[in-house]
Amino acid sequence: DAGVIQSPRHEVTEMGQEVTLRCKPISGHDYLFWYRQTMMRGLELLIYFNNNVPIDDSGMPEDRFSAKMPNASFSTLKIQPSEPRDSAVYFCASSLARRRGGLSEQFFGPGTRLTVL
Amino acid sequence: EDQVTQSPEALRLQEGESSSLNCSYTVSGLRGLFWYRQDPGKGPEFLFTLYSAGEEKEKERLKATLTKKESFLHITAPKPEDSATYLCAVCPGGGNKLTFGTGTQLKVEL
Repeated sequence: DAGVIQSPRHEVTEMGQEVTLRCKPISGHDYLFWYRQTMMRGLELLIYFNNNVPIDDSGMPEDRFSAKMPNASFSTLKIQPSEPRDSAVYFCASSLARRRGGLSEQFFGPGTRLTVL
Repeated sequence: EDQVTQSPEALRLQEGESSSLNCSYTVSGLRGLFWYRQDPGKGPEFLFTLYSAGEEKEKERLKATLTKKESFLHITAPKPEDSATYLCAVCPGGGNKLTFGTGTQLKVEL
C-alpha cells in the first residue's frame, strides 16, 4: 500500500486566498483525521471522520476552516480566507475501526507545509 | 481537558548512552497511550500503544512503560539513527481523539 497520500506537499499563498489541502487515506480504513502542527502548539486535532461522516470538529479553529469527505478515498481541508497565522504543517491520518480489545494506530501522511504570506 | 506534558524538550546523548523520556498525562479514563516517532519533514510513525498501568512494550532499543500518571520511553544503547522527535499521545475513554504532547527532540551523536 502507498500509505496516506497528501497533496500538495508545499503551498505558499498570500493572505486572503483560498487554500485546499487534499488527502487520500489508506484503502479500507474507516477513520480519517486532520491535524495541524506548529512549533508553539505541537500537533492538534482539527476534525475527524468515521465512514465519511464528520464526528468531531471541535478542533477547527474558526469558520474559515472547513473539511469534507465525499467518499472513502478522498478528503479535503479548505481555508478561506487564509491568514498568516494559519501557516503550519497539516497532516492527514487514517486508521481502521477499533480492533477487538484495543485501539488501532493512526497512519500519518507526509504532511502539507502551508505558508501564508 | 486532557493534557500531555513531555520532558525534556530536547535531549542530546552520546551513542550507547541510555536514557529515558517522560510523558505525564491527565485524561478522563485512559483508553490508550501512544508513542510515535517523527523524523524531520515527515509524518509521525507509530511505535507503541499501552493500555493499562504496569504494561510494557519493547521494540529493538526502545521500551515503553506505563503508570497511572505517566509513561516512559527508555532508550538503551542508542544509535545515531534513533535521532528523531518522540511524541506521546493519550486517548480518553469512550473516544477516538488523540491529544499529543509537544514531543522530545532526541539527538544521538557518535
